[in-house]
Amino acid sequence: DAGVTQSPTHLIKTRGQQVTLRCSPKSGHDTVSWYQQALGQGPQFIFQYYEEEERQRGNFPDRFSGHQFPNYSSELNVNALLLGDSALYLCASSGRTGGAAGYTFGSGTRLTVV
Amino acid sequence: AQSVTQPDIHITVSEGASLELRCNYSYGATPYLFWYVQSPGQGLQLLLKYFSGDTLVQGIKGFEAEFKRSQSSFNLRKPSVHWSDAAEYFCAVAPMDSSYKLIFGSGTRLLVRP
Repeated sequence: DAGVTQSPTHLIKTRGQQVTLRCSPKSGHDTVSWYQQALGQGPQFIFQYYEEEERQRGNFPDRFSGHQFPNYSSELNVNALLLGDSALYLCASSGRTGGAAGYTFGSGTRLTVV
Repeated sequence: AQSVTQPDIHITVSEGASLELRCNYSYGATPYLFWYVQSPGQGLQLLLKYFSGDTLVQGIKGFEAEFKRSQSSFNLRKPSVHWSDAAEYFCAVAPMDSSYKLIFGSGTRLLVRP
């Protein structure tokens, strides 16, 4: 039974570019949450998707957007990349209630903006 | 504002010694409380969680945590540390009125001396 799968594991982008990160939830989970973890910091909540809609959003600019597909997988898009967007991006899936108590985290995508 | 404080950035202990990692939270009501561990380049693994009831919570890998309402604390303990416990540890809360997301502390890095 696969857990949460994120791709790619690493990528390097140039300032101003756009990036798409992908997440496949754990089998049986239908809710996906995204977190940004800057170096030396704890993860910060970006947003959560359920039933293909953004259910809740953290304090991130509109450059950060997402999508959820009918198979519950999700994408995180970041436009106009800044150096400060360099971070580990974590995806967490959970069951119907979306509660953090049921989170399973992926191993993350390391994004470096140069 | 809701916040989680982990006052120790680094802690070094000898293998076999006991361990206590501190966590304090700031929130109007008792939130759900969590401890996660993160090994280098990896995602987050849940060690234990507290919702209600017995204030001493047992987790995986021999860890336990004690909730103290009067001190708004949720400290993590282990009686005998193993070299494999070296990692980053994060305390997190999920507010009861917004339990979709986790609010993390900035983490404590545990180093284990042979």
